[in-house]
Amino acid sequence: AQSVAQPEDQVNVAEGNPLTVKCTYSVSGNPYLFWYVQYPNRGLQFLLKYITGDNLVKGSYGFEAEFNKSQTSFHLKKPSALVSDSALYFCAVRALDNYGQNFVFGPGTRLSVLP
Amino acid sequence: NAGVTQTPKFRILKIGQSMTLQCTQDMNHNYMYWYRQDPGMGLKLIYYSVGAGITDKGEVPNGYNVSRSTTEDFPLRLELAAPSQTSVYFCASSLHTDTQYFGPGTRLTVL
Repeated sequence: AQSVAQPEDQVNVAEGNPLTVKCTYSVSGNPYLFWYVQYPNRGLQFLLKYITGDNLVKGSYGFEAEFNKSQTSFHLKKPSALVSDSALYFCAVRALDNYGQNFVFGPGTRLSVLP
Repeated sequence: NAGVTQTPKFRILKIGQSMTLQCTQDMNHNYMYWYRQDPGMGLKLIYYSVGAGITDKGEVPNGYNVSRSTTEDFPLRLELAAPSQTSVYFCASSLHTDTQYFGPGTRLTVL
């Protein structure tokens, strides 16, 4: 079965420090991987995606993610965290599952950037 | 270009009442989705549609119905509201199975 794991419920980081939000996946075939961010009382916003090509993907707001096929991971990173980055982050994979070609979301990781 | 819009933003229902959550997109996307997000949880797919006139069940379809008569609109119907349907509901759309764009959500409470 297709699945996405985000092993950390919460990540705390000091402003200005680098941040990493982890994601691992299990999917048949080549994965299409996505990161979304959710601010309080808002819908999810697209950050970046990996479909093919360079393993390091750059996205919105200075975020980037590294695809590692051997470790089946797609960790989200940012060199210098901002307080405004505090939000809920979701990793998702496009997968062929029981419901057709669709998205499977991880449970989310809450990022807190401390001033 | 408004993207994905949802109405209402908030609603309180009594057990057994019915309602329709509206979703409209203006990006000419063929795929549309309904998710629910329970507190502290990720998103669970309720129903999705790959085009006008075509809908299919997701992971948690019980208690819900959908229709897709136009490309733009994808309403979600709750026929007999139950407390277990208290949640935040998100509509999303995508061009084929590429990046999804989400609406702002509807916060529903069933008492």
